[in-house]
Amino acid sequence: EDQVTQSPEALRLQEGESSSLNCSYTVSGLRGLFWYRQDPGKGPEFLFTLYSAGEEKEKERLKATLTKKESFLHITAPKPEDSATYLCAVQANFGNEKLTFGTGTRLTIIP
Amino acid sequence: SAVISQKPSRDICQRGTSLTIQCQVDSQVTMMFWYRQQPGQSLTLIATANQGSEATYESGFVIDKFPISRPNLTFSTLTVSNMSPEDSSIYLCSVDPDRVNEQFFGPGTRLTVL
Repeated sequence: EDQVTQSPEALRLQEGESSSLNCSYTVSGLRGLFWYRQDPGKGPEFLFTLYSAGEEKEKERLKATLTKKESFLHITAPKPEDSATYLCAVQANFGNEKLTFGTGTRLTIIP
Repeated sequence: SAVISQKPSRDICQRGTSLTIQCQVDSQVTMMFWYRQQPGQSLTLIATANQGSEATYESGFVIDKFPISRPNLTFSTLTVSNMSPEDSSIYLCSVDPDRVNEQFFGPGTRLTVL
């Protein structure tokens, strides 16, 4: 069974204080690893898809990296508007296009 | 990308009743996905809906409890039947319009069952 574990559950940072969120996964053949951002009362917003170990993708202050067992979402010099819950999900090679999600990291950036 | 709308955005229902949630997409898509997000828990796939065929349900979810319709390539409905307080959750639909492994989610329907 595919599993995704995210840590920490919650993270409070000062504005400008860089950090990383972790996503550990087990999957029977990885088709893709996904990062989403979710604001309160809204649906998840797509950020990245990573496909193979060593791959990196960037968007503004966010950079996602992937190894064979985990992914990191690095946040550089965050701003208060980066406050949100960040979700990680995996999609297996076999079967349908189902995404298996972790429970997320709730990030708060303090001005 | 895709613009997805859901109706209703939220509802409060009595136990034993049913609620139908609508999902409308601004482009034609092959598959639509229905997820549930229970308080403090991760998003869980309920079923995958293809136009013209019966939905495929994940383990732990059954058609009698969560019947799905998919009448065309831009619309789907999910019904939560014979509700109990355990069905209180956010229900979301999603699509991958370009089939490039980028699933986009609707805003969700927040359901509270009393």
